[in-house]
Amino acid sequence: AQKVTQAQTEISVVEKEDVTLDCVYETRDTTYYLFWYKQPPSGELVFLIRRNSFDEQNEISGRYSWNFQKSTSSFNFTITASQVVDSAVYFCALSEAGADSWGKLQFGAGTQVVVTP
Amino acid sequence: KAGVTQTPRYLIKTRGQQVTLSCSPISGHRSVSWYQQTPGQGLQFLFEYFSETQRNKGNFPGRFSGRQFSNSRSEMNVSTLELGDSALYLCASSNGQGRPNYGYTFGSGTRLTVV
Repeated sequence: AQKVTQAQTEISVVEKEDVTLDCVYETRDTTYYLFWYKQPPSGELVFLIRRNSFDEQNEISGRYSWNFQKSTSSFNFTITASQVVDSAVYFCALSEAGADSWGKLQFGAGTQVVVTP
Repeated sequence: KAGVTQTPRYLIKTRGQQVTLSCSPISGHRSVSWYQQTPGQGLQFLFEYFSETQRNKGNFPGRFSGRQFSNSRSEMNVSTLELGDSALYLCASSNGQGRPNYGYTFGSGTRLTVV
C-alpha cells in the first residue's frame, strides 16, 4: 500500500511565484520522520528538511517553509519566490522509527517543478 | 568531508549478464541503504546494511543482492540482468545506526542500462 502520496505530478510556475507541494502520508506508528528531498537533473537526492512526528511546529528556512499537520497526515512544502534553479523533482518521504525500519525511506512518486524565467 | 561516492556513474550491460555497483559512505557512517529508481515504479527500497549485516530488505527478487565490508563500503549485485533492471541505483549513508533522526545522505547514483 502506498504510504506516501504526492498527488501533483508537475507544477509549472513563472520565476518569483510561490510553489506549494502537497504530501499526504499513512502510518500506524506514533513516532516517525518526514523528509523532503530535491532531485535535480544530475540525479542526486539533495536533503531539504526533516521533521519528526512530535514536532508540528512549522518553520521557515530561507525560501523554504513547511506545514506539518498530523490531523490530516499532511506535510506540505513551499518554495517562496521561486527561481529557475529550483526546477527539479521534489520527493516527500517517510521513515518509521521502529528498529525494523531503520535505514529505510518510503518515497512518494515525486512532483516535477518547472520554473520558467 | 567527502560525500557518498557511487561508482561507476554509468554502466551499459547486456541482458543475462551480471553487474556490481559500489557505494562508499561518508566517513564514519555505518549504515548504507540502496534504492532503485525507475520511471514506472519510482524510488524503491532495495536493502540496508549496518555493520556488515543486512537488516532490512525490500520486495525484490533474489537476483538482487548486496554486501557490506568492514570499512562500511557496500556493493550491490544484480545477476541475470533483465531489461527492466535498467534504472538509476542510489545509495544513502547514515550515522547513528541508521536511525531516521540522523537523516540520510545520498550519492549521485549509478545509471544502469540493460540492452
